[in-house]
Formats: sequence, structure tokens, C-alpha cells
Amino acid sequence: EILMTQSPATLSVSLGESATLSCRASLSVSTSLAWYQQKPGQAPRLLIFDASTRATGVAARFSGSGSGTEFTLTIRSLQSEDFAVYYCQQYHYWPLTFGGGTKVGIK
Amino acid sequence: QVHLEQSGAEVKKPGASVKVSCKAVGYTFNDYYLQWVRQAPGQGLEWMGWINPNTGSTNYAQRFQGRVSMTTDTSITTAYMELSRMTHDDTAMYFCARGLLGSNGWYYFDFWGQGTLVTVSS
Repeated sequence: EILMTQSPATLSVSLGESATLSCRASLSVSTSLAWYQQKPGQAPRLLIFDASTRATGVAARFSGSGSGTEFTLTIRSLQSEDFAVYYCQQYHYWPLTFGGGTKVGIK
Repeated sequence: QVHLEQSGAEVKKPGASVKVSCKAVGYTFNDYYLQWVRQAPGQGLEWMGWINPNTGSTNYAQRFQGRVSMTTDTSITTAYMELSRMTHDDTAMYFCARGLLGSNGWYYFDFWGQGTLVTVSS
């Protein structure tokens, strides 16, 4: 099973600043990597797939990069609605696995 | 408009089974694998398995093998996930999600149900 490790576990950011979230895979997953945003009491929402492709309707301030074992989600100019927990998920190998999440909070 | 509507919250005793439903609307049901993911309180996401509505074939995460059963009723575009012999550790929010095949791998999830809270309590 591929272990996905996200860092940091929590991140405090001021409105308008940028946030950089990391996700590391225990084995290369090529670009088979998705990012999700989850707000309290809601289902996750797909942001990025294939490591760098924004899902339909996702704001351009969200961008994904990386391949192999190292991936990054960057959120530019954070808005109030961006404070949430973010999960990465690899889908290169079965079973599909998620990272433990990064909680982005207001500084 | 793609929408996945799940059944309501359940409370079960240890050792019991639960069956959660997921009604899909707004797309061709048979064209997409349906996935199940769970989330224990305050915890992360855990993939449980998938079902191909077209053929009924399934693929379960090893830790749920023998305890989980995923089925579909294509006539009403509904998927079901049944988990048996539950323990307190199965207390979680259970989500269904539509799977999209990545360009270089298996499935990520583009649309999610609202979740069904299953509580196992004696």
C-alpha cells in the first residue's frame, strides 16, 4: 500500500497570502495524484487531478505541481472560503490511498 | 447536473450490518465506476472499494474483504454499500463518489454524495 504523507499538518495563513501544501508518496505514483478540499460537515471537493489539471469550476488561484513522489498544491492570494482541510490522493496503485490532510487556518 | 444522494444516518449495535444507498442523477449511471470512501470522526479519508455498475464487478480494499458488499440497481440508478459484523471502529461518515479514470492510473473522484453517518453503539 502506498503511503501518502502530507505536510505540514496545519498551516496558518493570512488572507491574501499564499499557501504551499506538500504531499509525498512512498513510491513513485507518476502524475496520478489528486487534491481535494474539505470544509467542516461537507463532502470533499475535487480541486486538481493528474497532479496539475484543475477540475471544472476551480479557481485559477489553485495550482498543482509535481510528479513521482513529491507534489505541491499552491493556493495564491487566500480567500476566506479557502480555509479548509486539503487531502491528496494517489491513484496510480490499488488500493487508492489518501494523505492525512493539511488544515489551512486563518492566522 | 450530477448529484449523488445518500440515505440517512444509521445507528447500529456491534455485530450488526448496515446498508447505505447512493442515488445517482444527472449522468449515465453505467458509464462510471461508483466508489465508496469513509471518514472516521476527526480523521482522514479511507477508500473502501468500487463497483462497475455496467457489469457488477467489484474491487474491495483488502481490510474490508469479507465484510463489505457493493451492489447496484441500474433500473433506479442506485448503488449500495453493505458492511457487516460492525464494531465501534466502523463509526464513520460513509461517502459514495463517482470515479473518473486518470490518464495514467486508476480512479479519482469528481462528484461526491453528502455522506451517511453510521454510528456503532452498544
